[in-house]
Parts: sequence; structure tokens; C-alpha cells
Amino acid sequence: AQKVTQAQTEISVVEKEDVTLDCVYETRDTTYYLFWYKQPPSGELVFLIRRNSFDEQNEISGRYSWNFQKSTSSFNFTITASQVVDSAVYFCALKGYPDMRFGAGTRLTVKP
Amino acid sequence: DAGITQSPRHKVTETGTPVTLRCHQTENHRYMYWYRQDPGHGLRLIHYSYGVKDTDKGEVSDGYSVSRSKTEDFLLTLESATSSQTSVYFCAIRKPGQNYGYTFGSGTRLTVV
Repeated sequence: AQKVTQAQTEISVVEKEDVTLDCVYETRDTTYYLFWYKQPPSGELVFLIRRNSFDEQNEISGRYSWNFQKSTSSFNFTITASQVVDSAVYFCALKGYPDMRFGAGTRLTVKP
Repeated sequence: DAGITQSPRHKVTETGTPVTLRCHQTENHRYMYWYRQDPGHGLRLIHYSYGVKDTDKGEVSDGYSVSRSKTEDFLLTLESATSSQTSVYFCAIRKPGQNYGYTFGSGTRLTVV
């Protein structure tokens, strides 16, 4: 069975703090894809990153970085020097069949 | 432009009435999906389609039906709306070359009173 767990329901930080959003997944597939999406207060779902199971290299994009560890089935997301505009709900997702399985989401609030 | 639109964006309806939500894409992609988003549950799949007249059930399909008579349109119908179907509904398409990533519509907020 495919499952994604985001144990952190809500996180609140002060601007410029670093914050890590946790994602743990379960799958029996040897080839799979993991995703992070952002849902700002406006409600749309914005794609952030895709990672396939063969690529365990960490990725950095500006203030965002992702740590993928197959050994612990985790795909964590770190925002460095957070900003108010980072306030959103963040979803981790796992591509399975027939669809993508989402975690419950983590609501991040960044206070000025 | 993501090439996917949902209508209506907001709707309030009464318990027991049928409701149809529309998802329209402009790019002729084969795969389309309907999800609902609820607090504490993330997004859960209702139904999906892999071509014209080819549809299948997802995780939370009870009380919902779908139709896809044209590639560009994927309709979601609540046969007899209930308060438990109050939710935000998202349509998604899967574009080739995205390694299975989805592009989502803007969502429809449905309230059943």
C-alpha cells in the first residue's frame, strides 16, 4: 500500500528562522516518484519539486532544499531564512497507481 | 497558463440536490483526476479517467459519478449532495514528460447546506 505521513500538522516560526517539514512514505515499489506541492492562502496547488527513487542527491533551489533518504523512507523539505510569503500548506506526495497519494499537509505560518 | 479550468469556483447547494462540477483542459491530455481536499486528509482521489469514456473509481468514490465524453472535459456529479460532501474539489491533469507530476485546476469550493 502507498502511504504518505506528514506528522507535523502546523508549524509556526518567526521570519528568518529555518524550518524543516517532514515527510515519511511507504511503498513496495522499487521505482517511484516523490513530490512537494505548496498551497498558499489563495488555494491553488503549486508544484515545487519531483524526485525519483533512483536519485538520492539532495537538491537546493534558492532558500529551498530537499533531503531524500531511502534508508529512512523520508523526503524532508527545508526552508532557509523563512519569509512571510512562505506561509502556506505544504503537501508531500507519492506517485503510485492509479494516482498520487498525498500526505495530510503541514500548515506553515511565518510571522514577521 | 496551466491549460486547466474548473467551474464553478464556488457553489452552495442544498442537501439532496444533484450537483455537477466541470473540469476543462485545452491540451488534450489523456489522464484526468478528481480529488477532494479536507482538513486532516490532504487530497483524496474520487475518480480518474484515462481516456474518453474510460473512467475508474478512486479512494472516496461513494456518492460521486463522472463522465468523460470528450477529451477536454471531465465532469464530476454528486448524485444527491450531502453535508459530508462539503469540500474543496480539485481537478488535475497529467502531462507527458512530467514524470507523473500533476497540474491542478484552481479548485471548486462546494458547500452543501
